Amino acid sequence: NAGVTQTPKFQVLKTGQSMTLQCAQDMNHNSMYWYRQDPGMGLRLIYYSASEGTTDKGEVPNGYNVSRLNKREFSLRLESAAPSQTSVYFCASSAYRGVISQTTQYFGPGTRLTVL
Amino acid sequence: EDQVTQSPEALRLQEGESSSLNCSYTVSGLRGLFWYRQDPGKGPEFLFTLYSAGEEKEKERLKATLTKKESFLHITAPKPEDSATYLCAVQVLGSSNTGKLIFGQGTTLQVKP
Repeated sequence: NAGVTQTPKFQVLKTGQSMTLQCAQDMNHNSMYWYRQDPGMGLRLIYYSASEGTTDKGEVPNGYNVSRLNKREFSLRLESAAPSQTSVYFCASSAYRGVISQTTQYFGPGTRLTVL
Repeated sequence: EDQVTQSPEALRLQEGESSSLNCSYTVSGLRGLFWYRQDPGKGPEFLFTLYSAGEEKEKERLKATLTKKESFLHITAPKPEDSATYLCAVQVLGSSNTGKLIFGQGTTLQVKP
């Protein structure tokens, strides 16, 4: 049971390049989330998918797109990378179904992205 | 606006010196409060969930408590391996269909031997 996995672990891009961050979970969770973490800013929600087939914007969605490929996988795409997108990106998942006892989010190891 | 504030930003303790970390929140309605531990270069690791005022949970040297306005993470007789950043997050009423969390900025704890 690997939990939440993310690829790649590190990436360096030039301004204007595109890339996709991959996330997969093997816990049969319904909901998946993408966050970015910047010094002094805490974790901020970019996009989330409450269930397979649905995606919604979070706090900082500009410059990103997402795809919920299936129940296991949730990808984050940067179409035209900018230096302001230099950050550490975390994927998380939860079993959330509206049941209060299933709200805990479990995080992946992160992708460290630098945009030059 | 829903907000989560953690204090202090950084805390240095000697091994064995007990202390507390604070997480205060102003939200429209609390559904749950979460504590995570994050080691450098790693993702947040789940510690506790608290759902109602008065609730307490313990794990080894850590004890989390919850009131209507804040939560405390008490660290008793800490060891160097407790050094990490501790994150607090809340789930608010109205996010019941999504499970979204609002995070504080974290408290970085350093425990010296």
